[in-house]
Amino acid sequence: AQKVTQAQTEISVVEKEDVTLDCVYETRDTTYYLFWYKQPPSGELVFLIRRNSFDEQNEISGRYSWNFQKSTSSFNFTITASQVVDSAVYFCALRLMNRDDKIIFGKGTRLHILP
Amino acid sequence: GAVVSQHPSRVICKSGTSVKIECRSLDFQATTMFWYRQFPKQSLMLMATSNEGSKATYEQGVEKDKFLINHASLTLSTLTVTSAHPEDSSFYICSANPGGGGYTFGSGTRLTVV
Repeated sequence: AQKVTQAQTEISVVEKEDVTLDCVYETRDTTYYLFWYKQPPSGELVFLIRRNSFDEQNEISGRYSWNFQKSTSSFNFTITASQVVDSAVYFCALRLMNRDDKIIFGKGTRLHILP
Repeated sequence: GAVVSQHPSRVICKSGTSVKIECRSLDFQATTMFWYRQFPKQSLMLMATSNEGSKATYEQGVEKDKFLINHASLTLSTLTVTSAHPEDSSFYICSANPGGGGYTFGSGTRLTVV
């Protein structure tokens, strides 16, 4: 069975601090996609990144960076120099390739950036 | 980029009435759409997968007679909450895959049953 675990339910940091959101996934399949989404208070889901299982290269996009390690089944997300606008719930998700298209979400991490 | 338009964004209805939520893929065809439900401070739980021209596939524990799904065209899927009750109050969100492995989500519908 597939599973996504986000052990951190809620995190609070002071603005300008760096923060890392953890994500651990479980699957026996060797081909899959991993995602991160941001959900601000308005409720919409904002796509942040998609990574496929063949590509373990880490990625940086502005203040955001992602560390994908297949050896530990982790796909962690770091925000550097956090800002108040980063306050949101962040979801990590998994989808198997060549299957029924379902996305499995973690329980989310609620991030509070304090001014 | 690919857009999924979801309406209404908010709806309040009386207990016992039915509510219809629409999701449209605006610039791509979606043979499959996914419906999720999210209770406050919880994750998104997949309710069902709607398939154009055929019956929807419901996840375990989701009542298909209560949550009617219709996917009549390649760009429109609807979810009807029938005989709604306060416990059905939730945030409902749809999604579709425009291709390339990614997913696009609608903006969600906040349903309140009073």
